Amino acid sequence: GQQVMQIPQYQHVQEGEDFTTYCNSSTTLSNIQWYKQRPGGHPVFLIQLVKSGEVKKQKRLTFQFGEAKKNSSLHITATQTTDVGTYFCAGPKQGGSEKLVFGKGTKLTVNP
Amino acid sequence: GAVVSQHPSRVICKSGTSVKIECRSLDFQATTMFWYRQFPKQSLMLMATSNEGSKATYEQGVEKDKFLINHASLTLSTLTVTSAHPEDSSFYICSARLADTQYFGPGTRLTVL
Repeated sequence: GQQVMQIPQYQHVQEGEDFTTYCNSSTTLSNIQWYKQRPGGHPVFLIQLVKSGEVKKQKRLTFQFGEAKKNSSLHITATQTTDVGTYFCAGPKQGGSEKLVFGKGTKLTVNP
Repeated sequence: GAVVSQHPSRVICKSGTSVKIECRSLDFQATTMFWYRQFPKQSLMLMATSNEGSKATYEQGVEKDKFLINHASLTLSTLTVTSAHPEDSSFYICSARLADTQYFGPGTRLTVL
């Protein structure tokens, strides 16, 4: 079945270091979405990418959608302690469904 | 915009009782809402899709008689965990669909004693 895979599962960095999480889908996606879940919190929508090769920036966060629309990445420049949390990517379930298929997430911890 | 609320945020109940969780879209109408379950340190597991005015559709392995879903209006969906048991203890999160995006509620932590 359709799968969305994320690596790494965990990432620990020193404050100020960069961080990247990668998302790979077993199928071509019409769009990809990224969510952030703080410890003890709920997923919060960050961004949606739609176009092949699209790159979007939100302050220190850079999101990229691959040319084949099967992979994506989230890069954080100069991490801060406020970046701590689990980052999930998600894509629409195959077949035009309203459902999303989530990756298992990358848990980021930042050492001050 | 796109705010989703959930109530209660935490609930502790005795085994065998039923618990109702409400999910509301506060500033938009949502014909479709979703119910997820999340175990500690794990990803979101979709339980069911709630459609306003029609029956919910459940994912494989989710008991529809145990997890009753009602989507009575465009801003409210409810999940009732019937005859709860300790293994039903979990973090339940709803989301409401707006365009292609899902906006999540703050979640309900259910503990069944």
